[in-house]
Amino acid sequence: DSGVTQTPKHLITATGQRVTLRCSPRSGDLSVYWYQQSLDQGLQFLIQYYNGEERAKGNILERFSAQQFPDLHSELNLSSLELGDSALYFCASSLYPTGLASSGNTIYFGEGSWLTVV
Amino acid sequence: EDKVVQSPLSLVVHEGDTVTLNCSYEVTNFRSLLWYKQEKKAPTFLFMLTSSGIEKKSGRLSSILDKKELFSILNITATQTGDSAVYLCACSKTSYDKVIFGPGTSLSVIP
Repeated sequence: DSGVTQTPKHLITATGQRVTLRCSPRSGDLSVYWYQQSLDQGLQFLIQYYNGEERAKGNILERFSAQQFPDLHSELNLSSLELGDSALYFCASSLYPTGLASSGNTIYFGEGSWLTVV
Repeated sequence: EDKVVQSPLSLVVHEGDTVTLNCSYEVTNFRSLLWYKQEKKAPTFLFMLTSSGIEKKSGRLSSILDKKELFSILNITATQTGDSAVYLCACSKTSYDKVIFGPGTSLSVIP
């Protein structure tokens, strides 16, 4: 158990709908990352937050948005869903943002949220 | 554009064999290279490498980084069926706090 909690574990929704994925980082971790893993694309970085502020942005669509709350949990909102959005969405956390930490910084992953768009 | 390339993409070996997984990268403002093992869902951390030429070991797994040639290898000796997984290589950057992942190497160890 990595200590990173994601909910829900599975969800099925229709095209055009909107869903919210929730992530609680490991206790004490300030940085949260969101990744999308689909069969043909591998693990794609979406966005990172550090202590409530957006830190880095990757291949995140305009239909997607995220935020990190004062209690450090994070939500990823996916709207106007398309069939191609079906994927496993991972949340990860670390104490420090990558790149600024000592070599001891490690990114821990949650178990992911399976999204199926039908 | 930053990229991380892994080879082979897929590998099937017998128990007891030794395997070497390769990772090469072209990443600006490189900070460190990370190896993860992904069995079913969540990747689990294996190694973080920041210095060239220093081997890191954990049991039957070891890894080393060459920052001049921009690659890393992950060795697994005396493979077991429990080593079957996708092994992900990733690079972190100093300036953008982003971790770029490679496509992974799928390893299957058969009895």
